[in-house]
This record gives sequence, structure tokens and C-alpha cells, in this order.
Amino acid sequence: GQQVQQSPTSLVLQEGENAELQCNFSTSLNSMQWFYQRPGGSLISVFYNPSGTKQSGRLTSTTVIKERRSSLHISSSQITDSGTYLCAMGTNTGKLTFGDGTVLTVKP
Amino acid sequence: EAAVTQSPRNKVAVTGGKVTLSCNQTNNHNNMYWYRQDTGHGLRLIHYSYGAGSTEKGDIPDGYKASRPSQENFSLILELATPSQTSVYFCASGEGQEGTQYFGPGTRLLVL
Repeated sequence: GQQVQQSPTSLVLQEGENAELQCNFSTSLNSMQWFYQRPGGSLISVFYNPSGTKQSGRLTSTTVIKERRSSLHISSSQITDSGTYLCAMGTNTGKLTFGDGTVLTVKP
Repeated sequence: EAAVTQSPRNKVAVTGGKVTLSCNQTNNHNNMYWYRQDTGHGLRLIHYSYGAGSTEKGDIPDGYKASRPSQENFSLILELATPSQTSVYFCASGEGQEGTQYFGPGTRLLVL
């Protein structure tokens, strides 16, 4: 089975609404990261968050290692938040295993 | 700011031909990685390296070779390209288990 499960697969919001993206891991992990990807673009690191809660502007990430889950909360969504959000779990060798991503569309 | 570059950015190859994808990083990171991303999916690890002269198999290494001649450069080689290798390939560098990975812009490969 897939080691990293992301939900939802896609999400459509009206501008100003909040979003909650989930990531669940089937095995133990050392760390996890959230990445953002524009259509046809590269990956940009949003959070490196091995545990606990981190906030950056309107984005908040919470990772609970022993429960093997992480979430990404986007508050007051903007059209420019549209794109794909990928989570990835890291092992002690530095390798990352990615989920399939959540495609977020924010409409005006 | 981290800097990872890839070349070429786009490539059309014929089945059975040899393809070399190149990656250069100026971050002085020890680790480098090659991933492929297929439509609607996340990234899958093909090969990675812990430093110059080292290459390791990732999760989907079949049909690919890698070469790390220097700290800065990491190549992905398709000796006999097949249509199933049509994909977008990303290179990344990082410091290992502590810290994030920095990604290049990607290479779109089409094998006809």
C-alpha cells in the first residue's frame, strides 16, 4: 500500500475560505515536509516540520509523529494559493517519500 | 538562496536512444536526488547520491543509471529510452535527514 496518503485529492474554495489538508503515513518517519507546486512548475518548500506546530503567515503546519499524521492549514485563502500541495515523509537516510498531492483551486 | 539547475529543460527522444539529464547545484550540499513525476502523482525517487563518486538506488531504479562526478553535478542516464519513461524529471539537493530538499525546475522528457 501507499506509504503516504494525502486528503482530499482536490479542493475548491472561494477566496477567503480556509483549507485543511491532511497527510497520513503508514510507517514511522524521521521528518516530514510540505511542498507547493504551481502547474508545470517546480517544488517549493513550504514547511520542514518534523514535529509540533509551525506557522508562516497564513499557513500553519502541525505534525504529530507518533500518530503518523501532519496537516497544513491555509487561512483566508487567496487565488494565488492555487496549485498542488505535496507532503513527503523523510527517513534517517535523507530520502523522501511523497504523497500524490492535493490540488487546491481558489476561485474569486 | 538555494540554486539547482537542470538541462535540458525539454527533450524529445526516440525509443532505444540514449538520454542524459544533467543537474548542477551551487548549494554545496552532499546529497542529490533524481525523481520522476507523472501526471496526477507525487514524486518517485529514482537514484540518489551522498557525495561525489557515490550513487544509490532509489525506489524505481530500473532502466536508469546515475553518475555523480563531482559535488556539484549529478546526471541521470537512460541507456535505452522507452515510452514508459516519458515523464517530468526533477533533481534536488539537500543536507540529508536534517533540513529540506531544494528542487530544480524540472526536465520534460518525451520518448516517442
